[in-house]
Amino acid sequence: DAGVTQSPTHLIKTRGQQVTLRCSPKSGHDTVSWYQQALGQGPQFIFQYYEEEERQRGNFPDRFSGHQFPNYSSELNVNALLLGDSALYLCASSLGQGIITNEKLFFGSGTQLSVL
Amino acid sequence: QKEVEQNSGPLSVPEGAIASLNCTYSDRGSQSFFWYRQYSGKSPELIMFIYSNGDKEDGRFTAQLNKASQYVSLLIRDSQPSDSATYLCAVPTQGAQKLVFGQGTRLTINP
Repeated sequence: DAGVTQSPTHLIKTRGQQVTLRCSPKSGHDTVSWYQQALGQGPQFIFQYYEEEERQRGNFPDRFSGHQFPNYSSELNVNALLLGDSALYLCASSLGQGIITNEKLFFGSGTQLSVL
Repeated sequence: QKEVEQNSGPLSVPEGAIASLNCTYSDRGSQSFFWYRQYSGKSPELIMFIYSNGDKEDGRFTAQLNKASQYVSLLIRDSQPSDSATYLCAVPTQGAQKLVFGQGTRLTINP
């Protein structure tokens, strides 16, 4: 049973470029959340997708957008990249939109994005 | 006031000693609390969760929760060099559908 998979594992971009990160949730999960973790900081919630719609959003600009496909996989898009977007991007999957418990939330290994 | 606060450290503890990590949170309605361990460049790994006031033990790890004081801690007994990592405290919020993380405490176990 595959867990949460993210691709690519590492990515280098330059300022102003656009990037797309991908996430496949754990088998049986239908909800995908994205987190950004800057160096030395805890992860920060970007948004959550459920039933192919953005359900919740954190304090991130519109340059950050996403999509969820019918197979529940998800993409995170970041436009007009800034140096400050350099971070580890984590995808987490869960089942439904109920209360998060230890049994429900699974993190992928992340994509390390470097913006030069 | 941040929703979840941790001392960023670094915290240095000799091998075999007890490492004590602390976390405070602002939402009195919070019901569950998670501790994650994160090695450099890796994703967070859930190591403990606690819902009830008091202590919860799992092997060398003990989580302590005091809801009245809005305080949760993690104790690591018989610390090993492999315990050297950043420890993140996380609290579900916004209808319990997202996790709010603290800044993390960097722990170093010295042989």
